Amino acid sequence: KAGVTQTPRYLIKTRGQQVTLSCSPISGHRSVSWYQQTPGQGLQFLFEYFSETQRNKGNFPGRFSGRQFSNSRSEMNVSTLELGDSALYLCASRPGASGGTDTQYFGPGTRLTVL
Amino acid sequence: DQQVKQNSPSLSVQEGRISILNCDYTNSMFDYFLWYKKYPAEGPTFLISISSIKDKNEDGRFTVFLNKSAKHLSLHIVPSQPGDSAVYFCAASAKGGTSYGKLTFGQGTILTVHP
Repeated sequence: KAGVTQTPRYLIKTRGQQVTLSCSPISGHRSVSWYQQTPGQGLQFLFEYFSETQRNKGNFPGRFSGRQFSNSRSEMNVSTLELGDSALYLCASRPGASGGTDTQYFGPGTRLTVL
Repeated sequence: DQQVKQNSPSLSVQEGRISILNCDYTNSMFDYFLWYKKYPAEGPTFLISISSIKDKNEDGRFTVFLNKSAKHLSLHIVPSQPGDSAVYFCAASAKGGTSYGKLTFGQGTILTVHP
């Protein structure tokens, strides 16, 4: 089976712009979670989607949003970019029917740099 | 508050010896625990997991031990190999509700295995 894929791998934007990142989960996985990794805050949960519905959201401002399509592919969007949004953005997929007791498999990440 | 803690930022061991990485948690609702290995600018790679109903899980050179009363888990790597050098993250999840799809990560431990 192919793993989780994320596009693009690298992105450079300027403050005030918006960005959309894409994630394709492992075939058959219906849950996609997004995380942000920064040197200061570590790996932090952004949100989770299952069957096109957001089921959970982390403590991030409303500028961070996402969606999931019927084929389980997911996108996340960050509007009005700030310097502090520079990070590695990771998505992870899992089968998803259970509340939490299955393994999340991560993609390679998208490195976002905001200038 | 940091619900998952890895108190050792780094660990250095000789090739062939045992590596022991430790993790403590505070949230008693956590019932599934995972260890991931990560290289810079890449996504975490799943290593091994353990459910709260067990106290040990083994997979090849990797063994995870869970002590629920102490809220402590550890990852043992035997024998350690230079290719094991990476950052290791402990993560935890809880069932359902506001925990859907959310992994809470520790800050990571840098493991260096010397030839």
